[in-house]
Amino acid sequence: GAVVSQHPSWVICKSGTSVKIECRSLDFQATTMFWYRQFPKQSLMLMATSNEGSKATYEQGVEKDKFLINHASLTLSTLTVTSAHPEDSSFYICSARVGRRWGGYGYTFGSGTRLTVV
Amino acid sequence: EDKVVQSPLSLVVHEGDTVTLNCSYEVTNFRSLLWYKQEKKAPTFLFMLTSSGIEKKSGRLSSILDKKELSSILNITATQTGDSAIYLCAVEAEVAGANSKLTFGKGITLSVRP
Repeated sequence: GAVVSQHPSWVICKSGTSVKIECRSLDFQATTMFWYRQFPKQSLMLMATSNEGSKATYEQGVEKDKFLINHASLTLSTLTVTSAHPEDSSFYICSARVGRRWGGYGYTFGSGTRLTVV
Repeated sequence: EDKVVQSPLSLVVHEGDTVTLNCSYEVTNFRSLLWYKQEKKAPTFLFMLTSSGIEKKSGRLSSILDKKELSSILNITATQTGDSAIYLCAVEAEVAGANSKLTFGKGITLSVRP
C-alpha cells in the first residue's frame, strides 16, 4: 500500500530558529500533499495543500511566510517552520492523496512530527 | 465553510460494551466520509463511505452513511481496551480545479476500561 515517511518524528528547537519537516512518498508519486497541525486533544487542522511544481494553497489564517511549503518533486514535500516560537509547538502531520484503482482518492498519513520550541 | 461535528466528544465504557460514535456534516460538493483511529501518532484509516445506506464492516467495527441526514455512525461491538483511542471523522469535498480536501471533526476520545 501507499506509504508516506515523515521525518523527524520529534524535534526540539530554540526560539527564533527554523525547522524543516520532510514527507516522502515511498512507493507512489504524490501529486498532492496536505499539511496539518494538531494541538493536544484537538482535531487536525488543515494548514495548506501543496501540488507538485506549483505554489502551495494556504488555509485562511495560516502565515505563508512562516510556514514555507515546498513540493519540488513527486516524492518529496517539505514544511519549514521559520523563526519558530513556543506557540508553534504542535504536532504536524502530512497526508498524501492517492488515486484509487476504482476511482476517487485515498489519503495516506505520515507518522507525524512533534515540534517543541523552547 | 465546511463543518464536521462529532459526538459525544468523549466516552468511557467497560470492556464488552457496544458504542456508537456519531458524525454529522455540512459541506459543499461532498465526495466521501472517512473514519480514522488515532492513538499516539498519525491517524490510521478505518472506513471510507460514499454511498448512503450501505454498511461497511471490519471485524467488530462497522459504519454507515446517511446522505439524507448528512451523518454517519461508527459502531464498535464487544469493545476491548485496545479500542481506546481518538476516533476522527473527516469529510472529503471537491474544491476548485478538480481537487479535493478533508475537513476533520474534533474527534471522539474513547476510553475502554477493563
